[in-house]
Parts: sequence; structure tokens; C-alpha cells
Amino acid sequence: GAVVSQHPSWVICKSGTSVKIECRSLDFQATTMFWYRQFPKQSLMLMATSNEGSKATYEQGVEKDKFLINHASLTLSTLTVTSAHPEDSSFYICSARHPLQGAAETQYFGPGTRLLVL
Amino acid sequence: GENVEQHPSTLSVQEGDSAVIKCTYSDSASNYFPWYKQELGKGPQLIIDIRSNVGEKKDQRIAVTLNKTAKHFSLHITETQPEDSAVYFCAASNQAGTALIFGKGTTLSVSS
Repeated sequence: GAVVSQHPSWVICKSGTSVKIECRSLDFQATTMFWYRQFPKQSLMLMATSNEGSKATYEQGVEKDKFLINHASLTLSTLTVTSAHPEDSSFYICSARHPLQGAAETQYFGPGTRLLVL
Repeated sequence: GENVEQHPSTLSVQEGDSAVIKCTYSDSASNYFPWYKQELGKGPQLIIDIRSNVGEKKDQRIAVTLNKTAKHFSLHITETQPEDSAVYFCAASNQAGTALIFGKGTTLSVSS
């Protein structure tokens, strides 16, 4: 159990377009999901915390109007990068807390989505 | 806020040797410390975790130790194998449901 998927696994888009990334918990319900961004050879930087049925909480410096997060169900959270620019190119990874497996704090990560903005 | 420091940034060992990665944290309220392994182009995979009411935890070749007084925790990998080569991240959190704060990662290379 505790499988998290992401779609797409990679995407190439033109500057100015919007890109939607989906994060799904496949075999459990996740009330809380997290979105991270990772640049090459760097650590994971938290972007926002996504709670089902409520507004996401964004980290300082992350533009909420640019990175739209929707956690509409207990198994799906989406991240939309609006008006993407080349500097938004990165590896986006989501994680989800499993309510019953492991410690209450345990997070399981998706495989990531590689975004390249031309 | 919490700050997690991780050392070394790179580590090269021979197959069969042991590898040790160390992390320190700043927030004394932190009570959960997971370790993740990330292979190239993939998401992090949880390999072991420890809570602050435990000093050591072991799972086959992997062990984690925690020193709450000194606010540091370490990952120990014994009998390393080439497939252990990856980037390892330590993390900390202080409350159920809150996000993890990650260290900068350690690139482990195991040569045969």
C-alpha cells in the first residue's frame, strides 16, 4: 500500500502556457498532500500544503496565483503552473500522508513530473 | 523555523564497506526523522524513519540513530552494494501533518 502516482511524468510546453500536474493516492485516502519543487542536484523545497476541501497553504516566496493547487478529493490534488516561463522548469514532486500506515507524519512521494518550459 | 544540515554532500565507498550520513536539526520540538533514497529522475523513497522516543532503529542493512540532546541523527548502511548508489535525504518534522524539512542530500557512490 501507500502508492502515490503523478501524471504526466514529463511535459514540455511553450512559454506563457499553463500546465496541470496531477497527484493521486492510489490505494489510500489522503487528507493532506504536499507539493515540492526540486532543481538539479538540489534538495526538495516545499511549495505548498494541500488539504482536501480547503485552500492550500503556500510557503513564503511561492506565488499562489501562479501555482494553483486544488485538492478536490481525498485521492487527488492538482498543481497548475499558470503562464509558465523557462525559470519554472523543474522537477515537481508531490507527497501524501497515509492516515493508517507508518507514523502519523509519514509521507509517501510520487515519482515526480519533469517540466521543461521553452 | 526548522533547519536541517546534512553531511557529507558526497560519499564514495567500496562495495561491502559501511556508509554513514549525518544530519543535525535546529528545532528541539522536532520529533520525526525519516530518511529517503532518491534515484536519478525518480521521486524519493522512504527507507527508514525514527521518532524521538526511540534512540535507534534497524532494518536489515540500514539503521538510524538519534541523539535528541545533541539534536543529530545518522543513517548507517552496512555491507554496501552498487544498487545503494543514490542521493539520500534526511528530513525532520515536529508535528503530525506538517511538511518535512529536508537536508541538502548526500550523493552515495558504491563502487564494485
